[in-house]
Amino acid sequence: DIVLTQSPGTLSLSPGERATLSCRASQTISYSYLAWYQQRPGQAPRLLIYGVSRRPTGIPDRFSGSGSGTDFTLTISRLEPEDFAVYYCQQYSSSRLTFGGGTKVEIK
Amino acid sequence: EVQLVQSGADVKKPGESLKISCKVSGYNFSDYWIAWVRHMPGKGLEWMGIVYPADSNTIYNPSFRGQVSISADKSISTAYLQWSGLKASDIGMYYCARHVGLATPSYFDYWGQGTLVTVSS
Repeated sequence: DIVLTQSPGTLSLSPGERATLSCRASQTISYSYLAWYQQRPGQAPRLLIYGVSRRPTGIPDRFSGSGSGTDFTLTISRLEPEDFAVYYCQQYSSSRLTFGGGTKVEIK
Repeated sequence: EVQLVQSGADVKKPGESLKISCKVSGYNFSDYWIAWVRHMPGKGLEWMGIVYPADSNTIYNPSFRGQVSISADKSISTAYLQWSGLKASDIGMYYCARHVGLATPSYFDYWGQGTLVTVSS
C-alpha cells in the first residue's frame, strides 16, 4: 500500500492567513494521481483538487495544489471562515487507493 | 443536479445483519463506478471497494473483502453496502461516492451525506 502522511496534524491560523498543508507518500505517485478533499464538521468530504493541481468547477481559486513524486502541498492563500475544516489527500496511483490521516485547520 | 442520498442511521447488535443504501440521481447510474468509504471515529478515511452498476463488477479493498458485500441495482439507481454479521469494530460513518472515470482507481467527485452505523449490545 502507498501510505500517505499528512502534516501537520493540526494547523492553528487566523482568517486571512495562508495555510500550507503537506502530504508525503511512501512511494512515488504516478501520473499526478493525487486529490485533496475538504470535510467540514457534520458534512461529507468535498473534492477540492484532483490531478495534483486541477480544481473542479466551483472550487475557489484560493485553493491550489502542487507537488510531484512523493511530496505534495495544498495551499489556501487566504483563509475564509468556511475553510476551517479537515483536509485529506488521496492517491489513486496504485490499485489500492488510500487516504492520508488528515490535517485539521482550526481557528487560532 | 447529481445527488447521492443515503439511508438513515442505524443501530444494531453484534452479529446482526445490515444493508445500507445509496440512491443516485442526476446522471446515468450505469456510467460510473460507485465507491464506499468508511470513516471511523477519530480516524481517517478508508476506501472499502467499488461497484460498476452496469454489470455489477466489484473491486474490494483486500482489508474489507469477506467482511462486507457491495452491490448495485441499476433498475432503481441504488448501490448497497451489506454486512452479514456486524461487529463492534464496524461502528462508523459510511459514505458512498461517485468514482470519476471508467479506469480504476480514481478520485471521487460527488459524495452521499453519510450513514452512521452503531453497533452495541
